[in-house]
Amino acid sequence: DAKTTQPPSMDCAEGRAANLPCNHSTISGNEYVYWYRQIHSQGPQYIIHGLKNNETNEMASLIITEDRKSSTLILPHATLRDTAVYYCIVRAGGTSYGKLTFGQGTILTVHP
Amino acid sequence: DGGITQSPKYLFRKEGQNVTLSCEQNLNHDAMYWYRQDPGQGLRLIYYSQIVNDFQKGDIAEGYSVSREKKESFPLTVTSAQKNPTAFYLCASRTSGAADTQYFGPGTRLTVL
Repeated sequence: DAKTTQPPSMDCAEGRAANLPCNHSTISGNEYVYWYRQIHSQGPQYIIHGLKNNETNEMASLIITEDRKSSTLILPHATLRDTAVYYCIVRAGGTSYGKLTFGQGTILTVHP
Repeated sequence: DGGITQSPKYLFRKEGQNVTLSCEQNLNHDAMYWYRQDPGQGLRLIYYSQIVNDFQKGDIAEGYSVSREKKESFPLTVTSAQKNPTAFYLCASRTSGAADTQYFGPGTRLTVL
């Protein structure tokens, strides 16, 4: 799995968009970008994933650069409940093993 | 959390006792996983199962055992051989396909007294 780099922490005002960056310059052609988050003392929550096209679901949008070396997770209207650690993971899909490796992630703090 | 349940949420155990953590899923997923998380640390894989009646050791299987008799269930037993069992335990199941995705349960926090 390709290595990812995320800022250790970010702040965001409630109601504003939160833009969380992730660098993955060694990503391979068959590797997907996944985003998870973990709120304190809870299990990780899947947010979104993509291969090369931008993706949007009810939780967030994922913007992947054309060269696929970086991506941005966008929470369009952050709330206090979005305070969590956000993990960007790059891995090939459909592998038989399937282990997820979480890095240090970005601690997002949403303040009033 | 999706359709994955773990019980109990909190568990206390005396040293030398075995304890079993429950994990059930109604997502019809073939693959299931057990991870361990220590404070401020990432997830470490204990065991995984890709299909009923089959399971494989992960990175830190020593002191743990599992079974997979039903598709929906993947219980984890923490044995007395596990030297440092106090941790947050997470169960996950995985979709199949090219963009497979893992979904996690709420976790069980085990404390050894």
